[in-house]
Amino acid sequence: AQTVTQSQPEMSVQEAETVTLSCTYDTSESDYYLFWYKQPPSRQMILVIRQEAYKQQNATENRFSVNFQKAAKSFSLKISDSQLGDAAMYFCAYRNLNTGTASKLTFGTGTRLQVTL
Amino acid sequence: DAGVIQSPRHEVTEMGQEVTLRCKPISGHNSLFWYRQTMMRGLELLIYFNNNVPIDDSGMPEDRFSAKMPNASFSTLKIQPSEPRDSAVYFCATSPSGGHYEQYFGPGTRLTVT
Repeated sequence: AQTVTQSQPEMSVQEAETVTLSCTYDTSESDYYLFWYKQPPSRQMILVIRQEAYKQQNATENRFSVNFQKAAKSFSLKISDSQLGDAAMYFCAYRNLNTGTASKLTFGTGTRLQVTL
Repeated sequence: DAGVIQSPRHEVTEMGQEVTLRCKPISGHNSLFWYRQTMMRGLELLIYFNNNVPIDDSGMPEDRFSAKMPNASFSTLKIQPSEPRDSAVYFCATSPSGGHYEQYFGPGTRLTVT
């Protein structure tokens, strides 16, 4: 079974600085997707960024980028120029591609990010 | 697009009562997932459907929980009878059959059982 580990329960960053959230996963599959979701105090789960395992290039969405290391099974999220609105719980998630079209997501336990002035 | 719609947003009920949570998926999405989120256990997948058919219900905690998807535009999660330990936020998420397979979450229903 796949597992996703987020070893940092809490992180803090100053506004305008850069922070990196860690995620590792365990799988025997070669084809899969990885995601980062953000959950602000409103509770809404918002997709931040996704990475296809077959792509070597790291995904980027504006101030958000990932460092995907397939051999190491590592998938960290970098937030540049942090803003107060980035304060939230961040979840790393894994999805296997080889089990049909309705495959579940496996989530990590989350990292709570605080942004300070 | 209105996104995934869940109702009610908040539900407070007494132990022993029946609770029904509702979800309307994004039009065209044919996979639907029910999750439960608590501080102790994090995000747990309860059940998911593909083309209205339940695929995996191994996450349903016990027989008090049941879920249905009578058509492509509606799903329910029912708890009967409810217990205080069922208090949690329940999310519905949907996903298209193609594309990048990410799931789109509803706003959640906060359930409190007293």
